[in-house]
Amino acid sequence: GAVVSQHPSWVICKSGTSVKIECRSLDFQATTMFWYRQFPKQSLMLMATSNEGSKATYEQGVEKDKFLINHASLTLSTLTVTSAHPEDSSFYICSAEGQGAEAFFGQGTRLTVV
Amino acid sequence: AQSVTQLGSHVSVSEGALVLLRCNYSSSVPPYLFWYVQYPNQGLQLLLKYTTGATLVKGINGFEAEFKKSETSFHLTKPSAHMSDAAEYFCAVSVRSNYQLIWGAGTKLIIKP
Repeated sequence: GAVVSQHPSWVICKSGTSVKIECRSLDFQATTMFWYRQFPKQSLMLMATSNEGSKATYEQGVEKDKFLINHASLTLSTLTVTSAHPEDSSFYICSAEGQGAEAFFGQGTRLTVV
Repeated sequence: AQSVTQLGSHVSVSEGALVLLRCNYSSSVPPYLFWYVQYPNQGLQLLLKYTTGATLVKGINGFEAEFKKSETSFHLTKPSAHMSDAAEYFCAVSVRSNYQLIWGAGTKLIIKP
């Protein structure tokens, strides 16, 4: 099946710094990628839809200036958490839209802000 | 609008027993239905999906699910639980014209020795 690679798998950063998370579709082109956030013991929350070559569409309540999304190519989308704070600590997961209405997920990134 | 309800945030079964994880959905149009599994500190892995055709869908690791339109359900089952099945399971629905997934809250499956 198709593979989506997400990097890094975990990161610890200081409060106030920025962190970039990459999501790559390794063997297929993805015009649309999705970014999710998962709080402990809760379901996934869609943050934004990333479209290649255009601005991302953010869900209500998600700060677009804090969570910068760039989808510059058909195989790469990035999520940058700017000026991170401890409340941004979470598990972030990306997915890429493949054929057959299947979403392929990255391994996830566990962000800890200290 | 679509929505997904998973009954039971935690389900505990004995090793070798039947696994049944419940999922009900609402959708105004024919849905695509998915079950994903998430092992601790890992990303999501697709177990199985229903798009069209046969309503009984077989997935990986011995899991299967049946799409019942009249009951708006897509329950996940496995005849005999293994310790390695302990994980969190998510049911999701999408509409064919929009691949955005709507997620259930997840069910943590606990396997007792």
